[in-house]
Amino acid sequence: SQTIHQWPATLVQPVGSPLSLECTVEGTSNPNLYWYRQAAGRGLQLLFYSVGIGQISSEVPQNLSASRPQDRQFILSSKKLLLSDSGFYLCAWRGEGSGRLGTGELFFGEGSRLTVL
Amino acid sequence: AQSVAQPEDQVNVAEGNPLTVKCTYSVSGNPYLFWYVQYPNRGLQFLLKYITGDNLVKGSYGFEAEFNKSQTSFHLKKPSALVSDSALYFCAVREMVTGGGNKLTFGTGTQLKVEL
Repeated sequence: SQTIHQWPATLVQPVGSPLSLECTVEGTSNPNLYWYRQAAGRGLQLLFYSVGIGQISSEVPQNLSASRPQDRQFILSSKKLLLSDSGFYLCAWRGEGSGRLGTGELFFGEGSRLTVL
Repeated sequence: AQSVAQPEDQVNVAEGNPLTVKCTYSVSGNPYLFWYVQYPNRGLQFLLKYITGDNLVKGSYGFEAEFNKSQTSFHLKKPSALVSDSALYFCAVREMVTGGGNKLTFGTGTQLKVEL
């Protein structure tokens, strides 16, 4: 069966420090991968998605970047964190079916809570 | 762009009573709709989806959702609520993206509180 792992689970970082959040998926190949941010415990905002190695699409301009160095690894990074980067970051992968025929449900990791002080 | 709306920030219901969490959608073409649940400090868990076929979709933990095309709604329901159902519920709609993939656009979430 497929599993998704995110780490670290919690992170407290000073303003201006770098960030690296990692996500890996097991039990599948060539998944579509996603980074969402949830601010204030509510709305989910899509930050990045990737349909393959080295292919990253950004949904919103921001202080963050994403990379996909391997098929099942997705990394969220920042060179210098801002206070506004605080939030709950969720990685997800796309479920059954590939391409335009897939039904598209996403499966989420347990999240990484980032607090920038 | 596709979108979903959840008009209620919070829904309160007594344990044993039926519950409904509302969602309306705005899409071009046939909608692919989803419900997720989130417990505190956890990731989202997939509950159910509507792709095509029967308007009543059954999902995990006794939840079901009714797709209504004329009212553009996809309300989540459960015949008898449990205290353990208390959580944050999200409705979502699928959108295609460049490169052959798709993404989910989520509503703002509805906090469900089930009381004894």
